[in-house]
Amino acid sequence: QVVLTQSPSASAFLGASVKLTCTLSSGHSNYAIAWHQQQPEKGPRYLMNLNNDGSHRKGDGIPDRFSGSSSGAERYLTISSLQSEDEADYYCQTWDTGIRVFGGGTKLTVL
Amino acid sequence: EVQLVESGGGLVQPGGSLRLSCAASGFTFSNYAMSWVRQAPGKGLEWVSAISGSGGATSYADSVKGQFTISRDNSKNTLYLQMNSLRAEDTAVYYCAKEPNSGWKIFDYWGQGTLVTVSS
Repeated sequence: QVVLTQSPSASAFLGASVKLTCTLSSGHSNYAIAWHQQQPEKGPRYLMNLNNDGSHRKGDGIPDRFSGSSSGAERYLTISSLQSEDEADYYCQTWDTGIRVFGGGTKLTVL
Repeated sequence: EVQLVESGGGLVQPGGSLRLSCAASGFTFSNYAMSWVRQAPGKGLEWVSAISGSGGATSYADSVKGQFTISRDNSKNTLYLQMNSLRAEDTAVYYCAKEPNSGWKIFDYWGQGTLVTVSS
């Protein structure tokens, strides 16, 4: 069964860029994923889907500052021109036979 | 505009039951699979259960299999989660989420969540 691994925390300065990583478990490197954002005290928000070739499609109203890319078993979420409202938890998510799976989430701090 | 509004959460004693509802609008409900996802206090997201658009296919996380039942009423545009034999570890915010009609089993819209607290 597929497992998604994320670093628990990341930080970057206001106005800078940050690249978050989601790693697929062995044998699952071709899986597509989705990225979701959860701001403090709010429900999750869908950001984008992301294929193993790096192609991605963003959800409604997601700014151009958010982009996705892939390399092997790694899936990335890059946020450029960081704003204070980007401080949030970010989750990757995929699926396997009959089930849906989340990574543990990365807490992004904007300095 | 897609809207998902959960209700039915609250305080329940261990061993009790609760039924959550999710009222959907802004899309043709019967065309889309739906899921329940929960988040325990201070923890990450955990997928709970999914149901196909017709309601004919369901799936569950091992942690709730045999304890929770997902269902839907397409005539009422409503998703349900029947939760039985509740335990303290079921305490969480429960979100309903819509899946896109593309074969991708991801969540493209989320509700705001309803809090379930299991405590004596």
